[in-house]
Amino acid sequence: SQKIEQNSEALNIQEGKTATLTCNYTNYSPAYLQWYRQDPGRGPVFLLLIRENEKEKRKERLKVTFDTTLKQSLFHITASQPADSATYLCALTMSNAGNMLTFGGGTRLMVKP
Amino acid sequence: GAVVSQHPSWVICKSGTSVKIECRSLDFQATTMFWYRQFPKQSLMLMATSNEGSKATYEQGVEKDKFLINHASLTLSTLTVTSAHPEDSSFYICSARVSAGGSLRETQYFGPGTRLLVL
Repeated sequence: SQKIEQNSEALNIQEGKTATLTCNYTNYSPAYLQWYRQDPGRGPVFLLLIRENEKEKRKERLKVTFDTTLKQSLFHITASQPADSATYLCALTMSNAGNMLTFGGGTRLMVKP
Repeated sequence: GAVVSQHPSWVICKSGTSVKIECRSLDFQATTMFWYRQFPKQSLMLMATSNEGSKATYEQGVEKDKFLINHASLTLSTLTVTSAHPEDSSFYICSARVSAGGSLRETQYFGPGTRLLVL
């Protein structure tokens, strides 16, 4: 069966450290993978997109890696801040799926001051 | 750029009434919009894909007669929950995909969501 797995347990880290979130998938061949941030009671906010032929993408304090062999993406937030506390969702898009997104369950990140 | 709005942000209604939720792309045109629902502590589940000028495509298990979708223009899609019942209470979120070419077209931009509570 097809699955997108994110760590359902909350990730608690200290301010200033690097947060690393994992997204694993099975039985998918995504054309690209996206990461979103969602705050309670709000819609997701787009952060980064990485294509199947890209290994790494950066944006300010954010870094995403994409390993299509391992079927895994890692999402890093460096120099984390309490304001980074939120739920982070990964989403896959298949090339033949009309740009539809399939979401993982999300990981809640808590950055403590 | 790529801002999506939703209205209302929250609504409380009586069982049996219909509720309309609007989704607008404010600074871009969107031939395709998507409607999701999200239950507490769960991820987003796609309900339907809304295409401008044509019928929506519904995901398996979503009743098209209960969740009416209209995408009358390149900047507006509406979701009407007909004869709402308490089990329809949820967080409804729309998203839009940029119609123009380029990298922006590869992703979806989400609205802030509408909280529906049916009493």
